[in-house]
This record gives sequence, structure tokens and C-alpha cells, in this order.
Amino acid sequence: GAGVSQSPSNKVTEKGKDVELRCDPISGHTALYWYRQSLGQGLEFLIYFQGNSAPDKSGLPSDRFSAERTGGSVSTLTIQRTQQEDSAVYLCASSFSGDYGYTFGSGTRLTVV
Amino acid sequence: QQQVKQSPQSLIVQKGGISIINCAYENTAFDYFPWYQQFPGKGPALLIAIRPDVSEKKEGRFTISFNKSAKQFSLHIMDSQPGDSATYFCAASIGTGGFKTIFGAGTRLFVKA
Repeated sequence: GAGVSQSPSNKVTEKGKDVELRCDPISGHTALYWYRQSLGQGLEFLIYFQGNSAPDKSGLPSDRFSAERTGGSVSTLTIQRTQQEDSAVYLCASSFSGDYGYTFGSGTRLTVV
Repeated sequence: QQQVKQSPQSLIVQKGGISIINCAYENTAFDYFPWYQQFPGKGPALLIAIRPDVSEKKEGRFTISFNKSAKQFSLHIMDSQPGDSATYFCAASIGTGGFKTIFGAGTRLFVKA
């Protein structure tokens, strides 16, 4: 596609439920990143995939968070047993290998009630 | 040491004025310094970037000034326009087999007409 696509754009879930957030990167981009942006805050790094290498998971806040990237393309971020503090905008970005600049999607706004 | 400190948190500038946002970093391993612009409801978009071997980079009304010895860099927006009203994030990237980017907390810019 022309840009990074994220779905759903909005998600409201009950505390304790699991959620899955999807990211479709730009075709050909080998690097994919997930960031979290809390209201009025900066971007918090979560996880990074580069080609077939093991992902950099150093930013995941707890073991309730996990992510996978299938076939080097689509990525899914899963949050298990959601808590209210998980409420935020989850942003996905992608880039070409060797390219420092990211292209971000519009994000998924997650609200845990 | 991985932090990027950004100031001010918010900025109000008259139309036609100069907007200045400052950032500082600690880790000298960072080798790419981008600025991103974010409008409400959208993901951040790459605006301009600089590498540490250059002291200044200009693209249109946007200029990055980089001081390697002080580990500081800044964004100058000349002739600021109401359409520039957005949140600006500075960032620093490091190659770790890929390109991990650490973002500042953001500056909300409002340009008064």
C-alpha cells in the first residue's frame, strides 16, 4: 500500500480482556517498529523487527505484551489481560533497511475500561 | 543515557515569527537526529534530519542546528505559519543491527494568526 496501515483505528476493551492490534507496513520495508504514545506524552519504544533477525523486545513493558511479524510483512501486537494503564495510542512504523527515517501509521487508540 | 531531553513542552509564536525547539542527548553513539511533526489524530511524519558530521541543515523554512560537543540540537522554524501548529518530536537513532530511535517528549507549537 501507499502507507503504513493500522487496524483497528479505535478499540475499546474491558479490563482483563486480550486485544490484538494489526500493522501492515509499506511493501518492501524490512524494518517494523511499535511505539506507544500516552495522552500528551512522547513516543515509548516497544519492539523492533528487522528482516529475519530476532526482534528487539527491550521496550515491552511487561510479559503481557507480545508481538509477531509473519512473513516479514504484517505484524500483530497482542496485549493480554489488559489494564487501564495500557490505554494509549499504539503506533506502528516501517522503514527500508539502512534507512533511518520512519513512516508511521495513524495508530490504534486503545481504551481499557 | 538513552534519553533525549526536549524543551519547551509548549510554545506559542506569532505568525511570521521564529519557533525554536531544543533537544539534548547523552549517548554519543547516536548517529542520526531526525525531527518529526505530528498533527492531531495522525502518526508522526519525518520532517528533517541531520547526521553528526554536519553542523546545520536547512530545508525550506526548517533548519536543524547541531552542536556535537555540547550534545545538543535544535529545530528552527522561520516565518512560522498557523499551518505549522502541531507537536514536534526530536529523536536520536542508533544502529544496533537496525535503527532504534529514541524520541523526546514533544513540543506543542501553536502559531497565532
